Amino acid sequence: DQQVKQNSPSLSVQEGRISILNCDYTNSMFDYFLWYKKYPAEGPTFLISISSIKDKNEDGRFTVFLNKSAKHLSLHIVPSQPGDSAVYFCAASFGGSQGNLIFGKGTKLSVKP
Amino acid sequence: NAGVMQNPRHLVRRRGQEARLRCSPMKGHSHVYWYRQLPEEGLKFMVYLQKENIIDESGMPKERFSAEFPKEGPSILRIQQVVRGDSAAYFCASSPWDYQTYGYTFGSGTRLTVV
Repeated sequence: DQQVKQNSPSLSVQEGRISILNCDYTNSMFDYFLWYKKYPAEGPTFLISISSIKDKNEDGRFTVFLNKSAKHLSLHIVPSQPGDSAVYFCAASFGGSQGNLIFGKGTKLSVKP
Repeated sequence: NAGVMQNPRHLVRRRGQEARLRCSPMKGHSHVYWYRQLPEEGLKFMVYLQKENIIDESGMPKERFSAEFPKEGPSILRIQQVVRGDSAAYFCASSPWDYQTYGYTFGSGTRLTVV
């Protein structure tokens, strides 16, 4: 049973436009959510996180929105750049279980010039 | 200030051999985590260690897999008597205590191929 789901395996957007990556979760006990970016043959790179007590967190071009009632979060990238092309993973954690991040399967973003 | 260092980057083992994967955390990080990524899958948690202690090994297979993080030296993930199903990318990550704000820093991974 997948507790963190990224239902879109891939997404293609034009440079300069907005990229929206979606993530759904099933366990209402998750209290922290993180987004990672991964290039081929490299490890994931931390992008941005959000606590369950918030509904939005912004860092430069990246904004994460959390809708707890829908158990849904999204990552917005504005404006999208070709260098953003990578696989994006959503991850969730329980407050008392440091270390055990539960990852989705990822969405491959392609930003076309 | 080097990031998380994993070696080797690629490791080929025959069935039945042992695989040893090494991870040196970022300077100042005392928490180490191992994850495994199978093809077309997300990362799956295996084990969380602090120096000389296993904190959470709930994701480790019950047999053949072990991990340590000694007082001196890197963390080691050991897989004994490897089988083809162990072929995967193994990622190590480290963090300071405030992992929720800063996330984990991942290494580039070790790609294990069992032939």
